[in-house]
Amino acid sequence: QVQLVQSGAEVRKPGSSVKVSCKSFGGTFSDHGVSWVRQAPGQGLEWMGWIVPMIGTPSYAQKFQARLTITADESTTTAYMELSSLTSDDTAVYYCARESGGWAGHNYFDPWGQGTLVTVSS
Amino acid sequence: EIVLTQSPGTLSLSPGERATLSCRASQTVASRYLAWYQQKPGQAPRLLIYDASSRATGIPDRFSGSGSGTDFTLTISRLEPEDFAVYSCQQYGSSPRTFGQGTKVEIK
Repeated sequence: QVQLVQSGAEVRKPGSSVKVSCKSFGGTFSDHGVSWVRQAPGQGLEWMGWIVPMIGTPSYAQKFQARLTITADESTTTAYMELSSLTSDDTAVYYCARESGGWAGHNYFDPWGQGTLVTVSS
Repeated sequence: EIVLTQSPGTLSLSPGERATLSCRASQTVASRYLAWYQQKPGQAPRLLIYDASSRATGIPDRFSGSGSGTDFTLTISRLEPEDFAVYSCQQYGSSPRTFGQGTKVEIK
């Protein structure tokens, strides 16, 4: 059974960056995609981007293209999401999720990490 | 980008009643690549249904999904107390993957 464990809550100032980790336990890591999804307070889910660790090339939603970096380390079975130029609108819970498959991309998300609250405040 | 519109926004029902949730897509969802997730307060989403009608592992058979093209439905045949939550649909047939805004099923 795959389990994803994310790093803890973060507080950042506007204009700074944040990096969240997502460690995978069990199952295979390299050949399944890992997506990042965020949820602002009281809002719906918003897909940000994904990576297949064995391929290493991420794909981003256009909205985040300029300031999002997703990476994966196969040796530690950990994926990372770094978001820069933060504003108060980036205050949200950030989730990683394991995709049901690899590069073909037609994948649902299961399981999800527990979520990481990122608060952006001056 | 495919926009998913869920209705109603909130569904007020009693335990034992039937819940019918709708997810409408702005364009055809390829190959029925649509999933449903359940989310309770303070928790991560949990996969219920994938490929429009396949139940995920461990999901009770009171949950069922149907539909194709642009119209999809999640049905909960008889609501249990633990089913009161927010339900979101997601399409993964085209990029970017998109989610609906969610339907809250609350106790009447």
